[in-house]
Amino acid sequence: QQQVKQSPQSLIVQKGGISIINCAYENTAFDYFPWYQQFPGKGPALLIAIRPDVSEKKEGRFTISFNKSAKQFSLHIMDSQPGDSATYFCAAPDYNQGGKLIFGQGTELSVKP
Amino acid sequence: ETGVTQSPTHLIKTRGQQVTLRCSSQSGHNTVSWYQQALGQGPQFIFQYYREEENGRGNFPPRFSGLQFPNYSSELNVNALELDDSALYLCASSLEGGHNQPQHFGDGTRLSIL
Repeated sequence: QQQVKQSPQSLIVQKGGISIINCAYENTAFDYFPWYQQFPGKGPALLIAIRPDVSEKKEGRFTISFNKSAKQFSLHIMDSQPGDSATYFCAAPDYNQGGKLIFGQGTELSVKP
Repeated sequence: ETGVTQSPTHLIKTRGQQVTLRCSSQSGHNTVSWYQQALGQGPQFIFQYYREEENGRGNFPPRFSGLQFPNYSSELNVNALELDDSALYLCASSLEGGHNQPQHFGDGTRLSIL
């Protein structure tokens, strides 16, 4: 069964610091890798996504770095804020079914004031 | 623009019962995917509906079934409920089968099996 491995499982960062979450995926024939942010009691909200024709994508304080040869991608949150405290999920498309997303196990981020 | 809405928000059932969960897709989206999220885990793909046809299925037994209507809303039906079916059920809508497309999630239905 295809897997996406996400690390770390939990992360504590001081306000203003950089949060880094890593993901590794298996082979896929599709080209869309999203990150989701989920608050307690809510569904996952699309945060940022990348297509592997670029190695980096930045939106505000959030950056995805992508390494296609290593099959790895990471999320960097710059100037982390207490409001960023949430669970973050990476996802990769299934090898055969591009519309089927395989999610990582999640990273619980806590940003301390 | 209306986002993805799911109903009900919470549901309590007993083992062996049947349940129907509903999802209205985001305006303009013709694809609905259903996911199961156990506590502390990432969402797991159940199946997808595109233009009213099942368009891919994950590792879930046949007692998980679904429908998509002409207005692209969708239902998830689960028969013969088991304790392990307790989870958050999420639907996500997207365009054109979701291939290389953003998928937008609703807030889910929390299903508890007693």
